[in-house]
Amino acid sequence: AQSVTQPDIHITVSEGASLELRCNYSYGATPYLFWYVQSPGQGLQLLLKYFSGDTLVQGIKGFEAEFKRSQSSFNLRKPSVHWSDAAEYFCAVGGNRDDKIIFGKGTRLHILP
Amino acid sequence: NAGVMQNPRHLVRRRGQEARLRCSPMKGHSHVYWYRQLPEEGLKFMVYLQKENIIDESGMPKERFSAEFPKEGPSILRIQQVVRGDSAAYFCASSPTRPGTGGSPLHFGNGTRLTVT
Repeated sequence: AQSVTQPDIHITVSEGASLELRCNYSYGATPYLFWYVQSPGQGLQLLLKYFSGDTLVQGIKGFEAEFKRSQSSFNLRKPSVHWSDAAEYFCAVGGNRDDKIIFGKGTRLHILP
Repeated sequence: NAGVMQNPRHLVRRRGQEARLRCSPMKGHSHVYWYRQLPEEGLKFMVYLQKENIIDESGMPKERFSAEFPKEGPSILRIQQVVRGDSAAYFCASSPTRPGTGGSPLHFGNGTRLTVT
């Protein structure tokens, strides 16, 4: 069965510092991978997605993620965070073997001024 | 170009009442997912529907919960005889194609927050 692990429940970084949020997945075939962001009281907004091709994916708001098949990982990165990046971030996996998209438990990002 | 519309945003029900949550997908989207979110538990898949069909309901509790997506009108998630443990945020998401074919991302609504008193 497919699954997603986000090992960090909370992460705190200073404004202007770099960020990396970890995501590990389990899927029996080539995965489709997604990162979403959720602000309090809101729905989820797609940051970026990986289907195939280049393993380094660029997204909105200056985010990028790298698909590493050997490590079953899809970590999200940003070189310099802004206070407005404080939110909860979800990694998700799907694929062509089934129609479910499964989400991790999320990582809440806190930004120090 | 409206996004996914969910209503109501907030719903309060007493134990034993019924809750009906509505979701209108984005225009042109015929695939609808429902997820439940509890604090620090992420989003739990509940059900995947296409117009008039339930494709995958493996995440739905066996009793009291049902979902439909009729030919006309919004998708409905219905919870009968609600209990306090049903209190959560319920999110609907839509897609133009099966996510398993071509990897279409899901577009989410802002959710319905159900509180059972």
